[in-house]
Amino acid sequence: GAVVSQHPSWVICKSGTSVKIECRSLDFQATTMFWYRQFPKKSLMLMATSNEGSKATYEQGVEKDKFLINHASLTLSTLTVTSAHPEDSSFYICSAKDGGHGEFFGPGTRLTVL
Amino acid sequence: GESVGLHLPTLSVQEGDNSIINCAYSNSASDYFIWYKQESGKGPQFIIDIRSNMDKRQGQRVTVLLNKTVKHLSLQIAATQPGDSAVYFCADRAGAGKSTFGDGTTLTVKP
Repeated sequence: GAVVSQHPSWVICKSGTSVKIECRSLDFQATTMFWYRQFPKKSLMLMATSNEGSKATYEQGVEKDKFLINHASLTLSTLTVTSAHPEDSSFYICSAKDGGHGEFFGPGTRLTVL
Repeated sequence: GESVGLHLPTLSVQEGDNSIINCAYSNSASDYFIWYKQESGKGPQFIIDIRSNMDKRQGQRVTVLLNKTVKHLSLQIAATQPGDSAVYFCADRAGAGKSTFGDGTTLTVKP
């Protein structure tokens, strides 16, 4: 149980385009999902906290208009990178919290912006 | 701001030996800590957690030790196997439930 999926697993796009990444909790309901960004050989950096039915809470320094988060249901949160640029290339990881203390991570999405 | 950090970025051990990975934190209010394992190109996997009212917790081949006096925790892996090779992160989860990750230690197990 407690499986989190992400789609796509990798994506390559042109500079200036927008990319949507989906995060799904497959066998549990997640009122809270988190979006992280990870650079090569670096740790996970929390970008935002996504709560179902409300606006996401962004960490300091993260542009909310560039990284759009929608948490439309208890099993789905999406991250849209708008007008992507090469510096947005990164590994994006989501996690979902169950009703207890568990935080379960997705497999990550590798974004490459040309 | 608060931080979570690891002492050594890399650790190399012989198969069968025990591994110890260390982590320091700065937030005195932290009350819940988690160790994660991340293999290349994958998301983090939960290994073991510990609450601040404990100083030791054991799992299968893994033990986490917490020293609140010096704000230090460690992950011990017994009889390290090649499959244990990965990056290990400690994380501090406080308050609103979001995790603050340390920088990670890359464990390499030599056969």
